[in-house]
Formats: sequence, C-alpha cells, structure tokens
Amino acid sequence: ELKVEQNPLFLSMQEGKNYTIYCNYSTTSDRLYWYRQDPGKSLESLFVLLSNGAVKQEGRLMASLDTKARLSTLHITAAVHDLSATYFCAVVNYGGSQGNLIFGKGTKLSVKP
Amino acid sequence: KAGVTQTPRYLIKTRGQQVTLSCSPISGHRSVSWYQQTPGQGLQFLFEYFSETQRNKGNFPGRFSGRQFSNSRSEMNVSTLELGDSALYLCASSLSGDNTEAFFGQGTRLTVV
Repeated sequence: ELKVEQNPLFLSMQEGKNYTIYCNYSTTSDRLYWYRQDPGKSLESLFVLLSNGAVKQEGRLMASLDTKARLSTLHITAAVHDLSATYFCAVVNYGGSQGNLIFGKGTKLSVKP
Repeated sequence: KAGVTQTPRYLIKTRGQQVTLSCSPISGHRSVSWYQQTPGQGLQFLFEYFSETQRNKGNFPGRFSGRQFSNSRSEMNVSTLELGDSALYLCASSLSGDNTEAFFGQGTRLTVV
C-alpha cells in the first residue's frame, strides 16, 4: 500500500528565511505533485515532477524529485507572508489499473514578519 | 477555459439523510475523481470515473457511491449520513486520469448535524 509522509506538519517561519518541506513515499511512483491550499479553498497545482532528478522552480518555491530515494523536497527561499498556506505533496498510486492520488498530511506554513 | 465546477458549495444535512454532490469537469476532460478532506484524516481518495465507468475505488463504505454521465459530469451520493461524513468533498478532473494532471474544483463543504 502506498504511503506518503510529509514533514514537518507545521512550520512557522520568519520572513526572509529559507526552509525545506520533505515528502517521502513508500513504493515506486513516477509522478509527484505539489499543491497549495489556502484556508477554505481548493487545491492549487504548483508543480508536477515526472522523472528522477526533476527540478522545477516558480518564484520563491523550488521542488525536486529523487525517485530512487522516494523523496521530494519543496524548498522555500526568502519566505514572504503570501506563502502562508498548507502545502501537500501527492503521489500517483498505481495500485489498480489506473492511477489515483495519495496525499501527504500537508504542511501548514505560517510566515511571520 | 472554465475550471472544475462543484455544486452546491455548502450543504447542511441531518444524520440519516442522503446527499448528492455534483461535479462538472473541465471541457474535454474525461476522468473525474472524488476526494474527501477532513482535519483528522486529511485528503482521501474516494473513487475515479472514466467514460461513465468506475475505474478505481478507495476504502470507503458502500454508503458512498458515484456515477458519471455521458457528458463526463459526475455525481457523488452519500446515503444514511453520519456525523463523521462532515467534510470538504473535492472533485478533480483530468484528461484521462492516467499520467495526466488533475485540476481540482472549489469543493462542497458538507456539514452533518
């Protein structure tokens, strides 16, 4: 059974600091997503990582994927208050003949001035 | 282009009642997946439909059911509602489900009293 673990679950950061969120998954998968969710809102797609060594960057966020280690990271550079949200990683589950997404518990990020 | 539309946005139901939620996917998308989000369990996969057929199902009781119509719109039904069914129900659409990016709707917030 595919399991996805994120850490930390809660992260309080000062503006201007850097930090990394980690996402480990338990079985082979070749597709990993990062989503952002604001309170009471839906999920906004941030990154799709398709292969080992993939790295994608958007603004202050950079995501990477190591399929051999079954690890993805979301790195936050020089955090600003607008980045405060909950971040989820999700891995495609091929337990059946088609895929569905298995989500981590989410990392609630709070960026303080 | 229009995104994923879920109706209604909010619902309050009484224990024992049943409820039907609707999801209209992005035009051209044929796969619709449903997820339940609760503070305790996080985001959990309910089921996926493709071309009017259920392709994959998560670990939920039979009270949770769904269907997809020929225009790819999907409905989810929950019978004999329990307090624990209170959650945000998210629908995601993708082109084909397999290896294609999922886009989420705004969700339906169900409260069971």
